[in-house]
Amino acid sequence: EAGVAQSPRYKIIEKRQSVAFWCNPISGHATLYWYQQILGQGPKLLIQFQNNGVVDDSQLPKDRFSAERLKGVDSTLKIQPAKLEDSAVYLCASSRSSYGYTFGSGTRLTVV
Amino acid sequence: QQQVKQSPQSLIVQKGGISIINCAYENTAFDYFPWYQQFPGKGPALLIAIRPDVSEKKEGRFTISFNKSAKQFSLHIMDSQPGDSATYFCAASMGGYSTLTFGKGTMLLVSP
Repeated sequence: EAGVAQSPRYKIIEKRQSVAFWCNPISGHATLYWYQQILGQGPKLLIQFQNNGVVDDSQLPKDRFSAERLKGVDSTLKIQPAKLEDSAVYLCASSRSSYGYTFGSGTRLTVV
Repeated sequence: QQQVKQSPQSLIVQKGGISIINCAYENTAFDYFPWYQQFPGKGPALLIAIRPDVSEKKEGRFTISFNKSAKQFSLHIMDSQPGDSATYFCAASMGGYSTLTFGKGTMLLVSP
């Protein structure tokens, strides 16, 4: 089966600019996650979708981060405005349950 | 806050040796404990996982040991190979549609 697709692979922006990331999950996976992975740390959950509804966004900095999953398939994560500390790899994952996450290769964001 | 504490932060093992990575958790509601392997530029990939009803699970050269009373679990890589050089993350979840909480990772280098 095809994996989780993410784009772009890399993005460099200046602080206070906006940026958006796209994710296409594995077909049939109802659950989609966005994780933030800062260099040298483990992935940290930002938001979890079940179909097109939000299940958990308790760790999403809602003043600058937003995410949507239209039609229960693709998802976009947006940051506006970006801060230096947002520099990280943004990972999308999908699953049928928490017993089997499949991660994409991620988008590496550098904020300068 | 749910936490998973992982050690060591980095590990160097000679080819053919045994690599051991340890994790400890606090939340007794966790019932699924996977290990993920991550190569540079890639997303984490599921390596092996265990449920708390067994004390050990082996898949090839990889073994998870689980100690429910101590709230600890570990990954053992037997006959370590240079191709095993990667970052390893332990994680835990409460199963179902709950999210994974990751440790901070262990960077493993297997020297030829």
